[in-house]
Amino acid sequence: RKEVEQDPGPFNVPEGATVAFNCTYSNSASQSFFWYRQDCRKEPKLLMSVYSSGNEDGRFTAQLNRASQYISLLIRDSKLSDSATYLCVVPDFSGGYNKLIFGAGTRLAVHP
Amino acid sequence: SQTIHQWPATLVQPVGSPLSLECTVEGTSNPNLYWYRQAAGRGLQLLFYSVGIGQISSEVPQNLSASRPQDRQFILSSKKLLLSDSGFYLCAWKGTGAYQPQHFGDGTRLSIL
Repeated sequence: RKEVEQDPGPFNVPEGATVAFNCTYSNSASQSFFWYRQDCRKEPKLLMSVYSSGNEDGRFTAQLNRASQYISLLIRDSKLSDSATYLCVVPDFSGGYNKLIFGAGTRLAVHP
Repeated sequence: SQTIHQWPATLVQPVGSPLSLECTVEGTSNPNLYWYRQAAGRGLQLLFYSVGIGQISSEVPQNLSASRPQDRQFILSSKKLLLSDSGFYLCAWKGTGAYQPQHFGDGTRLSIL
């Protein structure tokens, strides 16, 4: 099993739709998680940090299910500007918490 | 606030030429520093990371090297570039706490001819 697995997509949704991405991780001891957003040909940018059961920031909600070892990202009322690749990120314990493991990303395309 | 600077933004180099990419961080002390490479349409590959001056951990065997001559400066180098070195190179920093995210520079798009 890969350390971090994401559905690559693409998810094609109309404006205003609600879309959810799932991410599974293999290390049950993981305590913190991150979602990054990467636009085409740009650097990844931190979208949300998840340290407990979940986090909410405006239209974005991240939820953590420790028992099943998955993290989800829910986007409500999708905007055209939400089109990007969303990266699920988990700390790498082999690196003494100094490294992060990035998922390959889920691509979202929001159309008019 | 903390900022990270990476340059150049774009670079075109011939095969066999040397490389030097520089990254600097402002507004923080003793950050962890990272170099990643991203091939077109692929995920991030960690190349090197550093937890302090002169301390470099290499993740992938290759013809690249990294150095950290100052606390907030991280340099990626090569003596002779290969075609396979093409890609998007990203520098990132992180605070020293255990559960902190990384923050990326704007990246350098390197094309080898």
